[in-house]
Amino acid sequence: AQKITQTQPGMFVQEKEAVTLDCTYDTSDPSYGLFWYKQPSSGEMIFLIYQGSYDQQNATEGRYSLNFQKARKSANLVISASQLGDSAMYFCAMREGIYNQGGKLIFGQGTELSVKP
Amino acid sequence: AAGVIQSPRHLIKEKRETATLKCYPIPRHDTVYWYQQGPGQDPQFLISFYEKMQSDKGSIPDRFSAQQFSDYHSELNMSSLELGDSALYFCASSPRRSLAGAIYEQYFGPGTRLTVT
Repeated sequence: AQKITQTQPGMFVQEKEAVTLDCTYDTSDPSYGLFWYKQPSSGEMIFLIYQGSYDQQNATEGRYSLNFQKARKSANLVISASQLGDSAMYFCAMREGIYNQGGKLIFGQGTELSVKP
Repeated sequence: AAGVIQSPRHLIKEKRETATLKCYPIPRHDTVYWYQQGPGQDPQFLISFYEKMQSDKGSIPDRFSAQQFSDYHSELNMSSLELGDSALYFCASSPRRSLAGAIYEQYFGPGTRLTVT
């Protein structure tokens, strides 16, 4: 069965520094996608970055990059140059069967990131 | 850019009442997903629709039903509400397949916060 694990309930980082949020996953499906979402205290879920299982290169989106290590089944999110506005809950999620329409996302438990000035 | 619209944003109901949540996907998105996020928890998948047909089903109680209409908007109907139904309910949408055939990110709406008293 598919599973997502985030082992860091809370993280602190100094403003302008980089931070890595850990995510490991388990699946037997060769076609899967890995996602990171940001959830501020206001509650909305903001899509950050996506990595497909067949993608050869690590995904990057501005200050966000995904360190994808397929053999280790890890998909860590790296945020460079942290900003105060990055303080939020971060969820790692996985979807199996990325070629099928309507597949669900399975989420990890989340990591609460606090950026210190 | 247009986003997923959910209404209402906040809803207060009493036990045993019914509630209807509405979701309007991003234009040209034909797949809709519903998730439930309890306090301090990760989002849990409820149900999804593709082209007005149910495509996947998660841990949705029998008291809940949902459908997708011809204009692709979706409604989640909840009956005999219980205290434990108090949660943030997200709707997400995703676009039709990319040229490569894979389905990518799900874009989440702002959520409906349901409080059952």
